Amino acid sequence: GAGVSQSPSNKVTEKGKDVELRCDPISGHTALYWYRQSLGQGLEFLIYFQGNSAPDKSGLPSDRFSAERTGGSVSTLTIQRTQQEDSAVYLCASSFDRGRNNEQFFGPGTRLTVL
Amino acid sequence: SQQGEEDPQALSIQEGENATMNCSYKTSINNLQWYRQNSGRGLVHLILIRSNEREKHSGRLRVTLDTSKKSSSLLITASRAADTASYFCATDSGNTGKLIFGQGTTLQVKP
Repeated sequence: GAGVSQSPSNKVTEKGKDVELRCDPISGHTALYWYRQSLGQGLEFLIYFQGNSAPDKSGLPSDRFSAERTGGSVSTLTIQRTQQEDSAVYLCASSFDRGRNNEQFFGPGTRLTVL
Repeated sequence: SQQGEEDPQALSIQEGENATMNCSYKTSINNLQWYRQNSGRGLVHLILIRSNEREKHSGRLRVTLDTSKKSSSLLITASRAADTASYFCATDSGNTGKLIFGQGTTLQVKP
């Protein structure tokens, strides 16, 4: 079946603009994660969704960042009033269930460049 | 802050040689996972080792886990040029499956 998809693959925006990044998880996966990877760095956890439970937002770096997951499937990560330090690759992952010992399947990422 | 720390940061070897990468972490874990990343984009899951396991094999990959030392190693045997990539360890410590990633090891395999 199809893997995790993300759109757009690349996004260039001007400082101060808002951006929306989309993630389509694998069908049937109930857990969805957003990570951020700055150039040459490891991945930084941002937010986690599991079914209808309240999301774990503990990784969001500021209140300019928010995310939604509608209908338990597609998720949108929104960054308001973008700053240059927001430039990074934003990766989405999904897994069959939350919790222990579950492999995460990653999308190809969205490369965000803030000028 | 990052949980895992990989060592070395960069590794360059000849095709056919073995490559060993190490990962250290700080807190207790449910499992430790290794991922591969090509060209700074999507990650591919390689192997998962649970906290009660000490060694696991998958093809040319061998992973060890020492929970007393809070460390893991990834061994790639008989490396190929196609193994050139960045390799990340990630630890799962909580109840959500949230992963904490290390900084990664960049492996270059020269043909």
